[in-house]
Amino acid sequence: GAVVSQHPSWVICKSGTSVKIECRSLDFQATTMFWYRQFPKQSLMLMATSNEGSKATYEQGVEKDKFLINHASLTLSTLTVTSAHPEDSSFYICSARVTPWSRAGETQYFGPGTRLLVL
Amino acid sequence: AQSVSQHNHHVILSEAASLELGCNYSYGGTVNLFWYVQYPGQHLQLLLKYFSGDPLVKGIKGFEAEFIKSKFSFNLRKPSVQWSDTAEYFCAILSGSARQLTFGSGTQLTVLP
Repeated sequence: GAVVSQHPSWVICKSGTSVKIECRSLDFQATTMFWYRQFPKQSLMLMATSNEGSKATYEQGVEKDKFLINHASLTLSTLTVTSAHPEDSSFYICSARVTPWSRAGETQYFGPGTRLLVL
Repeated sequence: AQSVSQHNHHVILSEAASLELGCNYSYGGTVNLFWYVQYPGQHLQLLLKYFSGDPLVKGIKGFEAEFIKSKFSFNLRKPSVQWSDTAEYFCAILSGSARQLTFGSGTQLTVLP
């Protein structure tokens, strides 16, 4: 199946710094990628939808100036957590959507996630 | 707005026992439903999905799910679980113009050897 990678797999940073997380679709092109956040023992919460060549669409309650998303190519989307604070510590997961000719074939493939710890 | 409920937060079974994990959804549009599994330390993997047609959907690793429209349910089943099925299971619904996934809270399945 399709493979999605994330880099880094985990990062520790000081409060106030910015952290960039990359999401790549390795063997397919993805016009749409999604960014999720997962707290311990909880489900994935959609943060934003990233479309190649256009601005991301953020979910209600997600600060677009804090979580900068760039989707410059069909295989790469980046999430930058700006001026990170301890409450931003979480597990960030991306997914890339494969949209074949039939909607029934539509599937999202998930990356392995990036664990962020802000001290 | 769409929502997904998984009422079983943690299920513990012995090997060879049968499994059924509940999933109920709320959505007024065309329903597309998914079950994903997250093994310890690994990324989410698709188990199965329902778009249309036969409401009984068969997935990988012996899992199946039945879409019951009248009950707004999409329960996951497996007749005989194995220790290797220990994982977190998420039900999700596809919705919106951007085709986003909304996930349930997840069910942690522990299979005892």
